[in-house]
Amino acid sequence: AQKVTQAQTEISVVEKEDVTLDCVYETRDTTYYLFWYKQPPSGELVFLIRRNSFDEQNEISGRYSWNFQKSTSSFNFTITASQVVDSAVYFCALSTTGTGNQFYFGTGTSLTVIP
Amino acid sequence: GAVVSQHPSWVICKSGTSVKIECRSLDFQATTMFWYRQFPKQSLMLMATSNEGSKATYEQGVEKDKFLINHASLTLSTLTVTSAHPEDSSFYICSAPPPGLLNSPLHFGNGTRLTVT
Repeated sequence: AQKVTQAQTEISVVEKEDVTLDCVYETRDTTYYLFWYKQPPSGELVFLIRRNSFDEQNEISGRYSWNFQKSTSSFNFTITASQVVDSAVYFCALSTTGTGNQFYFGTGTSLTVIP
Repeated sequence: GAVVSQHPSWVICKSGTSVKIECRSLDFQATTMFWYRQFPKQSLMLMATSNEGSKATYEQGVEKDKFLINHASLTLSTLTVTSAHPEDSSFYICSAPPPGLLNSPLHFGNGTRLTVT
């Protein structure tokens, strides 16, 4: 069975602070893909990143960085120098070769950046 | 890039009426589309997988007769909430994978906020 856990339901930080959003996943498949999506208050889902299970290299994109560790089944997301515009709900998701295009979403982490 | 358009973005209807939500892939053909439901402050829950030219596949616990899905063309899937009740009020989101590549990032519509009074 596939499962994604985002233990942090809500996080508040003051602008310019760094914040890390945790994501832990479960799957028995050896080939799988992990995603992060951002959902601002307007509701649309914005794709942020995709990683496959064979690529554990961490990735940085501007103020965003991702730490993928297979040993702990985690795919954490860090926002550096947070900004008010980062306020949103962030979802971690998993898909596997066994499930095709079906995604399994975590429960989401609501991030509020206080000016 | 590939875009998925969803319409309407919000709708208010009275109990007992039916509401149709459209999901279109604008610049690619989608043989498969996914319909999700999201309650306030909760995650996206997959309702059904819409398959072009065949019956939709519903997740456990989703009433087929209440949530009618039609995927009549390669660019359009519709979700009809029949005999809507207040408990059907929710945020409905469709998505479609880009063609050809499994496990690619899904493209999501902007969602439809349904309020049943």
